[in-house]
Amino acid sequence: QKEVEQNSGPLSVPEGAIASLNCTYSDRGSQSFFWYRQYSGKSPELIMFIYSNGDKEDGRFTAQLNKASQYVSLLIRVSQPSDSATYLCAARDRGGSEKLVFGKGTKLTVNP
Amino acid sequence: EPEVTQTPSHQVTQMGQEVILRCVPISNHLYFYWYRQILGQKVEFLVSFYNNEISEKSEIFDDQFSVERPDGSNFTLKIRSTKLEDSAMYFCASSDRRSTEAFFGQGTRLTVV
Repeated sequence: QKEVEQNSGPLSVPEGAIASLNCTYSDRGSQSFFWYRQYSGKSPELIMFIYSNGDKEDGRFTAQLNKASQYVSLLIRVSQPSDSATYLCAARDRGGSEKLVFGKGTKLTVNP
Repeated sequence: EPEVTQTPSHQVTQMGQEVILRCVPISNHLYFYWYRQILGQKVEFLVSFYNNEISEKSEIFDDQFSVERPDGSNFTLKIRSTKLEDSAMYFCASSDRRSTEAFFGQGTRLTVV
C-alpha cells in the first residue's frame, strides 16, 4: 500500500516566521510530488510541484525533495495569516500511473 | 483564469438513489479525474479518464460508479445506488498532459440520508 505521511499538526507559527511542513512517502517509485493548500471546506489548490532532488523556489514557497530519504518538505517564508490552511502533500507514481496519493495534511495556523 | 467548475455544490439524496455529479474541466485539458474526501480524511483517488475511456481506477470505484464525457465539455460521475458511506466531498480535476499537475474544481458535497 503506497502511503504518504504527514504530521497532522496543528503547526502554529507567528506572522513573518518560516513555516516548515514535512512529508514522507513509502513508495520509492514515486516520481513527482505536489503541495496543495486546502482551506476548510474548500478544494485543494496547487501551490507547487517538484520532480528533481534539491530545492525549488516559487515566491515565498520552497519545495525540497530528497529521494534517498523519501522526504519532501515545503517552506513558507514570511508567513501571513492568510497562509493558515491545511497543506496536503501528494505523490504520483513513476510507473505511468496518473493518480495522486495524498497525505492527510498538516494544519498550519499563522498567528498575527 | 481558467478553472474547473462543478455542479451542484451540494447534493442531498436518499440512500439507494442515483446521483450524477457534473464537472466542466479546463477547456484545453485532456486528462480528467474524480477524487473524493470523506470528512476529516484524506483525499482519495477514484478514477482517471482520457480519450473517452477510463485509464485507471481505484478499488473504491466499483460497479456502482461510472464516468462519462457525454459531450465536448462535461465530465460526469454517476453513483447508481448511493450508500450512507458515499457521503463525501467529490472533487473533479483535470490536467493538460499526463503526469502533470492537476487542477481541482470547488467540489460537490454529497450527503446521503
